[in-house]
Amino acid sequence: EPEVTQTPSHQVTQMGQEVILRCVPISNHLYFYWYRQILGQKVEFLVSFYNNEISEKSEIFDDQFSVERPDGSNFTLKIRSTKLEDSAMYFCASSARDTMTNSPLHFGNGTRLTVT
Amino acid sequence: GQSLEQPSEVTAVEGAIVQINCTYQTSGFYGLSWYQQHDGGAPTFLSYNALDGLEETGRFSSFLSRSDSYGYLLLQELQMKDSASYFCAVRSGGGQNFVFGPGTRLSVLP
Repeated sequence: EPEVTQTPSHQVTQMGQEVILRCVPISNHLYFYWYRQILGQKVEFLVSFYNNEISEKSEIFDDQFSVERPDGSNFTLKIRSTKLEDSAMYFCASSARDTMTNSPLHFGNGTRLTVT
Repeated sequence: GQSLEQPSEVTAVEGAIVQINCTYQTSGFYGLSWYQQHDGGAPTFLSYNALDGLEETGRFSSFLSRSDSYGYLLLQELQMKDSASYFCAVRSGGGQNFVFGPGTRLSVLP
């Protein structure tokens, strides 16, 4: 079964450094998302991406965050200057169609980001 | 905006039936979804209800009452592997993303 893959699985970085989290969504999916989950808490929406542009973003997704689909397969999340509170599990997800239909989110296994 | 409420924890024994409730407030409604997440793992899709009533998928069923802004996930014949967190989720009004509830941690005891 096709799956969403994320790299790296773990990332440790120092405060103020830039990080890039990488994702390969399922190949025939059209909608891409980043969510994050602070340990023991709920899954929080960051951003959705469709047709090579951001379709929606949350309050969390401030100017320090950016997303890109540099080629036909990868989908990246960049944090320009990491803060301690950015420490979380970051999940990439994709869906075949928009969420108005029964098109569930398929999540990757996540990247655990630790900012020291 | 959207908000969802779920019990934080539920405990049951193997072979039992457990119901996990979810109430929601949302501007516009486009269906209620349920996801399962094992410790350290990714959320995985379980079910989706757009209309009132019960949807059954094997040992798992999901129910929706739009008039009550309420749904539940029913797990039957519980197995140890069902120990996980369960999240209900609604699509944000007019948006493309899902808003997740706080999650219910299910512990299945032998």
